[in-house]
Amino acid sequence: GENVEQHPSTLSVQEGDSAVIKCTYSDSASNYFPWYKQELGKRPQLIIDIRSNVGEKKDQRIAVTLNKTAKHFSLHITETQPEDSAVYFCANSGYALNFGKGTSLLVTP
Amino acid sequence: EAQVTQNPRYLITVTGKKLTVTCSQNMNHEYMSWYRQDPGLGLRQIYYSMNVEVTDKGDVPEGYKVSRKEKRNFPLILESPSPNQTSLYFCASSFGRDEYEQYFGPGTRLTVT
Repeated sequence: GENVEQHPSTLSVQEGDSAVIKCTYSDSASNYFPWYKQELGKRPQLIIDIRSNVGEKKDQRIAVTLNKTAKHFSLHITETQPEDSAVYFCANSGYALNFGKGTSLLVTP
Repeated sequence: EAQVTQNPRYLITVTGKKLTVTCSQNMNHEYMSWYRQDPGLGLRQIYYSMNVEVTDKGDVPEGYKVSRKEKRNFPLILESPSPNQTSLYFCASSFGRDEYEQYFGPGTRLTVT
């Protein structure tokens, strides 16, 4: 499938700080960009998604921004809490759904 | 309760011994797929199915088989498992392939010795 690059692979922040995870993609036909959260020992679950006709979407402390021209999208988590610690996967969908390699986020109290 | 189930959850087997991992969903989803998750490599798709009797290869299909005889079931078959197939496997289902939420099963941790 088409590659989606995700950075950073690991991220450590202090509780209350913000965390940003970035993804870039190559398929210009991509029009759906979901983010999944996987807690330790659990299954991935959708936390937020954005479609190509929208530049930003928010849901409480999380937000996703999309720049179709530059082919990148980002996940923003504000006021991080220890329960935000997990692996986060971005994905993009054009011909098929492609996942990034994941970012392991650690929020320390 | 809407869910995706997988069995077994854990399996230790030996090289060459055929095994099947079952996957079932009760949400009437048309699309089902299998992923493997390995450290540093993320989620890689093995096979997917758009509907009953319609299956296709994903990114890493070698060594795996699937079938979709019923809408709710999508078993993953390893005819001759090898140690490089030691991994965490997830089944997923959704209403469609591209722009729909994927519902993942709980995962199957497979070890091939």
